[in-house]
Amino acid sequence: GQQVMQIPQYQHVQEGEDFTTYCNSSTTLSNIQWYKQRPGGHPVFLIQLVKSGEVKKQKRLTFQFGEAKKNSSLHITATQTTDVGTYFCAGLESEGFNKFYFGSGTKLNVKP
Amino acid sequence: DVKVTQSSRYLVKRTGEKVFLECVQDMDHENMFWYRQDPGLGLRLIYFSYDVKMKEKGDIPEGYSVSREKKERFSLILESASTNQTSMYLCASSFPGNTIYFGEGSWLTVV
Repeated sequence: GQQVMQIPQYQHVQEGEDFTTYCNSSTTLSNIQWYKQRPGGHPVFLIQLVKSGEVKKQKRLTFQFGEAKKNSSLHITATQTTDVGTYFCAGLESEGFNKFYFGSGTKLNVKP
Repeated sequence: DVKVTQSSRYLVKRTGEKVFLECVQDMDHENMFWYRQDPGLGLRLIYFSYDVKMKEKGDIPEGYSVSREKKERFSLILESASTNQTSMYLCASSFPGNTIYFGEGSWLTVV
Protein backbone atom coordinates (compact mmCIF):
# COMPACT_ATOMS: atom_id res chain seq x y z
CA GLY A 1 0.00 0.00 0.00
CA GLN A 2 0.80 3.67 -0.03
CA GLN A 3 3.65 4.75 2.26
CA VAL A 4 5.39 8.01 2.90
CA MET A 5 8.78 7.76 4.55
CA GLN A 6 10.30 10.82 6.20
CA ILE A 7 13.88 11.35 7.38
CA PRO A 8 15.55 12.18 9.63
CA GLN A 9 13.43 11.43 12.68
CA TYR A 10 15.28 14.01 14.79
CA GLN A 11 17.58 16.90 14.01
CA HIS A 12 19.45 19.07 16.48
CA VAL A 13 21.05 22.21 15.06
CA GLN A 14 22.76 25.31 16.34
CA GLU A 15 20.83 28.49 15.69
CA GLY A 16 21.90 29.84 12.32
CA GLU A 17 22.58 26.44 10.77
CA ASP A 18 20.48 25.08 7.92
CA PHE A 19 18.02 22.19 8.20
CA THR A 20 16.47 19.82 5.67
CA THR A 21 13.85 17.09 5.99
CA TYR A 22 13.01 14.65 3.21
CA CYS A 23 9.94 12.67 2.24
CA ASN A 24 9.76 9.72 -0.12
CA SER A 25 6.67 7.97 -1.37
CA SER A 26 6.40 4.41 -2.67
CA THR A 27 3.98 5.61 -5.36
CA THR A 28 3.34 8.74 -7.40
CA LEU A 29 1.51 11.43 -5.48
CA SER A 30 -1.18 13.79 -6.67
CA ASN A 31 0.16 16.50 -4.39
CA ILE A 32 2.10 16.90 -1.18
CA GLN A 33 1.51 19.14 1.80
CA TRP A 34 3.75 20.22 4.65
CA TYR A 35 2.68 20.86 8.23
CA LYS A 36 4.41 22.20 11.34
CA GLN A 37 3.53 21.17 14.87
CA ARG A 38 4.90 23.29 17.68
CA PRO A 39 5.58 21.53 21.02
CA GLY A 40 2.25 20.97 22.77
CA GLY A 41 0.32 22.14 19.71
CA HIS A 42 -1.45 20.63 16.74
CA PRO A 43 -0.22 20.39 13.12
CA VAL A 44 -0.70 23.56 11.12
CA PHE A 45 -0.66 23.73 7.34
CA LEU A 46 2.39 25.34 5.75
CA ILE A 47 2.14 24.76 2.01
CA GLN A 48 0.91 22.53 -0.81
CA LEU A 49 2.90 21.48 -3.87
CA VAL A 50 1.10 20.14 -6.91
CA LYS A 51 3.28 20.32 -10.00
CA SER A 52 6.19 18.10 -10.92
CA GLY A 53 9.49 19.85 -10.03
CA GLU A 54 7.69 22.66 -8.21
CA VAL A 55 9.67 24.88 -5.85
CA LYS A 56 8.03 27.29 -3.43
CA LYS A 57 9.52 29.64 -0.87
CA GLN A 58 8.18 31.12 2.34
CA LYS A 59 10.83 33.49 3.75
CA ARG A 60 13.59 31.13 4.98
CA LEU A 61 11.67 27.96 4.05
CA THR A 62 12.08 26.31 0.63
CA PHE A 63 9.82 23.46 -0.44
CA GLN A 64 10.49 21.18 -3.40
CA PHE A 65 8.44 18.52 -5.16
CA GLY A 66 10.41 15.97 -7.17
CA GLU A 67 10.12 15.55 -10.91
CA ALA A 68 8.57 12.11 -10.51
CA LYS A 69 6.19 13.42 -7.80
CA LYS A 70 7.47 10.77 -5.43
CA ASN A 71 9.65 12.85 -3.16
CA SER A 72 9.72 16.23 -1.50
CA SER A 73 11.93 18.26 0.77
CA LEU A 74 11.69 21.18 3.17
CA HIS A 75 14.82 23.27 3.68
CA ILE A 76 15.16 25.97 6.33
CA THR A 77 17.98 28.46 5.91
CA ALA A 78 19.62 29.93 9.01
CA THR A 79 17.36 28.33 11.60
CA GLN A 80 15.93 30.32 14.48
CA THR A 81 14.59 29.13 17.82
CA THR A 82 11.09 29.86 16.53
CA ASP A 83 11.57 27.03 14.00
CA VAL A 84 11.50 24.43 16.78
CA GLY A 85 8.81 21.80 16.25
CA THR A 86 7.94 18.71 14.27
CA TYR A 87 7.58 18.98 10.51
CA PHE A 88 5.30 16.54 8.69
CA CYS A 89 4.83 15.88 5.03
CA ALA A 90 1.50 14.49 3.81
CA GLY A 91 1.14 12.91 0.41
CA LEU A 92 -2.19 12.68 -1.36
CA GLU A 93 -2.77 9.46 -3.24
CA SER A 94 -3.67 9.84 -6.88
CA GLU A 95 -6.77 7.69 -6.72
CA GLY A 96 -9.33 6.74 -4.15
CA PHE A 97 -10.92 8.74 -1.39
CA ASN A 98 -8.49 11.65 -1.30
CA LYS A 99 -6.70 10.18 1.66
CA PHE A 100 -3.48 11.82 2.80
CA TYR A 101 -0.60 9.69 4.02
CA PHE A 102 1.53 11.41 6.65
CA GLY A 103 5.23 10.91 7.08
CA SER A 104 6.42 10.10 10.59
CA GLY A 105 7.70 13.64 11.05
CA THR A 106 11.06 15.26 11.72
CA LYS A 107 11.49 16.80 15.14
CA LEU A 108 13.71 19.88 14.94
CA ASN A 109 15.48 21.28 17.97
CA VAL A 110 17.37 24.56 17.64
CA LYS A 111 19.97 25.47 20.25
CA PRO A 112 20.40 29.21 20.83
CA ASP B 1 -11.86 31.63 11.07
CA VAL B 2 -11.61 27.90 10.50
CA LYS B 3 -12.52 25.85 13.52
CA VAL B 4 -12.20 22.20 14.45
CA THR B 5 -13.31 21.68 18.03
CA GLN B 6 -12.60 18.61 20.10
CA SER B 7 -14.90 18.30 23.09
CA SER B 8 -12.36 17.13 25.65
CA ARG B 9 -8.76 18.24 25.99
CA TYR B 10 -7.76 15.86 28.77
CA LEU B 11 -9.46 12.64 29.86
CA VAL B 12 -8.62 9.89 32.31
CA LYS B 13 -10.59 6.67 31.91
CA ARG B 14 -10.48 3.23 33.46
CA THR B 15 -9.68 0.05 31.55
CA GLY B 16 -12.85 -1.41 30.05
CA GLU B 17 -14.77 1.89 30.00
CA LYS B 18 -16.50 3.09 26.85
CA VAL B 19 -14.98 6.35 25.69
CA PHE B 20 -16.44 8.93 23.31
CA LEU B 21 -14.30 11.59 21.68
CA GLU B 22 -16.35 14.22 19.91
CA CYS B 23 -15.26 16.53 17.11
CA VAL B 24 -17.13 19.34 15.37
CA GLN B 25 -16.07 21.43 12.39
CA ASP B 26 -17.72 24.59 11.13
CA MET B 27 -16.34 24.69 7.58
CA ASP B 28 -18.83 22.39 5.81
CA HIS B 29 -15.97 20.00 4.99
CA GLU B 30 -16.84 16.66 3.42
CA ASN B 31 -13.83 14.84 4.85
CA MET B 32 -13.19 14.24 8.52
CA PHE B 33 -10.40 12.24 10.13
CA TRP B 34 -9.29 10.78 13.42
CA TYR B 35 -5.56 10.38 14.00
CA ARG B 36 -3.57 9.04 16.86
CA GLN B 37 -0.20 10.57 17.69
CA ASP B 38 2.45 8.76 19.72
CA PRO B 39 6.13 9.72 20.20
CA GLY B 40 8.26 8.50 17.30
CA LEU B 41 5.27 7.13 15.38
CA GLY B 42 3.97 10.31 13.81
CA LEU B 43 0.31 10.64 12.86
CA ARG B 44 -1.49 7.37 12.34
CA LEU B 45 -4.91 7.39 10.72
CA ILE B 46 -7.57 5.52 12.66
CA TYR B 47 -10.68 6.21 10.55
CA PHE B 48 -11.83 8.77 8.09
CA SER B 49 -15.20 9.77 6.68
CA TYR B 50 -15.87 11.31 3.28
CA ASP B 51 -19.59 11.89 3.75
CA VAL B 52 -22.36 11.57 6.30
CA LYS B 53 -22.74 7.96 7.45
CA MET B 54 -19.75 6.96 5.30
CA LYS B 55 -16.51 5.75 6.83
CA GLU B 56 -13.31 4.06 5.83
CA LYS B 57 -10.76 2.27 7.99
CA GLY B 58 -7.39 3.87 8.30
CA ASP B 59 -4.14 2.23 9.28
CA ILE B 60 -5.01 1.31 12.88
CA PRO B 61 -8.80 0.85 13.25
CA GLU B 62 -8.67 -2.06 15.70
CA GLY B 63 -10.33 -1.25 19.02
CA TYR B 64 -12.05 1.86 17.60
CA SER B 65 -15.27 2.72 15.87
CA VAL B 66 -16.64 5.99 14.50
CA SER B 67 -19.94 7.69 13.90
CA ARG B 68 -20.87 10.46 11.49
CA GLU B 69 -24.57 11.18 11.69
CA LYS B 70 -24.22 14.85 10.72
CA LYS B 71 -21.77 16.48 8.34
CA GLU B 72 -20.18 18.67 10.98
CA ARG B 73 -19.69 16.01 13.66
CA PHE B 74 -17.36 12.99 13.73
CA SER B 75 -17.13 10.86 16.85
CA LEU B 76 -14.47 8.36 17.82
CA ILE B 77 -15.56 5.53 20.11
CA LEU B 78 -13.40 3.23 22.17
CA GLU B 79 -15.77 0.38 23.01
CA SER B 80 -13.61 -0.97 25.83
CA ALA B 81 -10.64 1.22 26.60
CA SER B 82 -7.27 -0.42 27.17
CA THR B 83 -4.01 0.98 28.49
CA ASN B 84 -2.38 0.75 25.04
CA GLN B 85 -4.91 3.29 23.83
CA THR B 86 -3.36 5.95 26.04
CA SER B 87 -2.39 8.58 23.49
CA MET B 88 -3.08 11.94 21.96
CA TYR B 89 -6.01 11.91 19.53
CA LEU B 90 -6.33 14.48 16.78
CA CYS B 91 -9.47 15.19 14.81
CA ALA B 92 -9.17 16.91 11.43
CA SER B 93 -11.31 17.97 8.50
CA SER B 94 -10.83 19.11 4.92
CA PHE B 95 -12.36 19.52 1.53
CA PRO B 96 -11.24 16.57 -0.65
CA GLY B 97 -7.55 16.93 -1.47
CA ASN B 98 -7.24 20.27 0.27
CA THR B 99 -5.71 21.73 3.41
CA ILE B 100 -6.29 19.62 6.49
CA TYR B 101 -7.37 21.55 9.59
CA PHE B 102 -6.65 19.94 12.92
CA GLY B 103 -8.31 20.29 16.29
CA GLU B 104 -6.33 21.02 19.43
CA GLY B 105 -6.06 17.35 20.35
CA SER B 106 -7.44 15.18 23.14
CA TRP B 107 -5.02 13.62 25.60
CA LEU B 108 -6.46 10.31 26.78
CA THR B 109 -4.99 8.34 29.66
CA VAL B 110 -6.36 4.86 30.34
CA VAL B 111 -5.53 3.52 33.79
